[in-house]
Amino acid sequence: RKEVEQDPGPFNVPEGATVAFNCTYSNSASQSFFWYRQDCRKEPKLLMSVYSSGNEDGRFTAQLNRASQYISLLIRDSKLSDSATYLCVVNLNQAGTALIFGKGTTLSVSS
Amino acid sequence: DTAVSQTPKYLVTQMGNDKSIKCEQNLGHDTMYWYKQDSKKFLKIMFSYNNKELIINETVPNRFSPKSPDKAHLNLHINSLELGDSAVYFCASSQDLTGTGGWTDTQYFGPGTRLTVL
Repeated sequence: RKEVEQDPGPFNVPEGATVAFNCTYSNSASQSFFWYRQDCRKEPKLLMSVYSSGNEDGRFTAQLNRASQYISLLIRDSKLSDSATYLCVVNLNQAGTALIFGKGTTLSVSS
Repeated sequence: DTAVSQTPKYLVTQMGNDKSIKCEQNLGHDTMYWYKQDSKKFLKIMFSYNNKELIINETVPNRFSPKSPDKAHLNLHINSLELGDSAVYFCASSQDLTGTGGWTDTQYFGPGTRLTVL
């Protein structure tokens, strides 16, 4: 089983749509969780951290379910500029370990 | 000002050559990383340095050797390049909150170096 699994998509949605991405992780000792965004041929950039209580940043809402080892990202009112690959990332927060990236989910928003 | 910079941005070379990629960060971070993103877009850690000390050394061929002259720089030297080394290599940095390299705050990535081995 892969450490971090995501549906690769692509998700093709019209502007204004609501879209949700899911991610599962295999190591129950994982401590920190993030969503990164990567535009085509660019570097990944942090979109938001994911907290146990869930958190929202504008049109973006992230949820964490530790019992099911499941992370989600909801994007409301999609914009053309949201088109990118969204990477689910987990961290054990232990010395000698590093961020573990999922392969990403590709979103394409069209007008 | 670019926070994490890499040079070169593109690198095209023949099999068997030796090449280096340079990385510099001006964020004052303690920890720097090298990642490889292959053709399937999978991003995987290769190395991590904390205050010039090697923290993470994943299973990569020993043809890859990182060098950190100071905590603002982490260079990657690759010997005897092979076709399978073709990928995008990203440098990144983060502030180490524990002093042991164990906690990674937000990682800031460089723009990537697209390596093509012919």
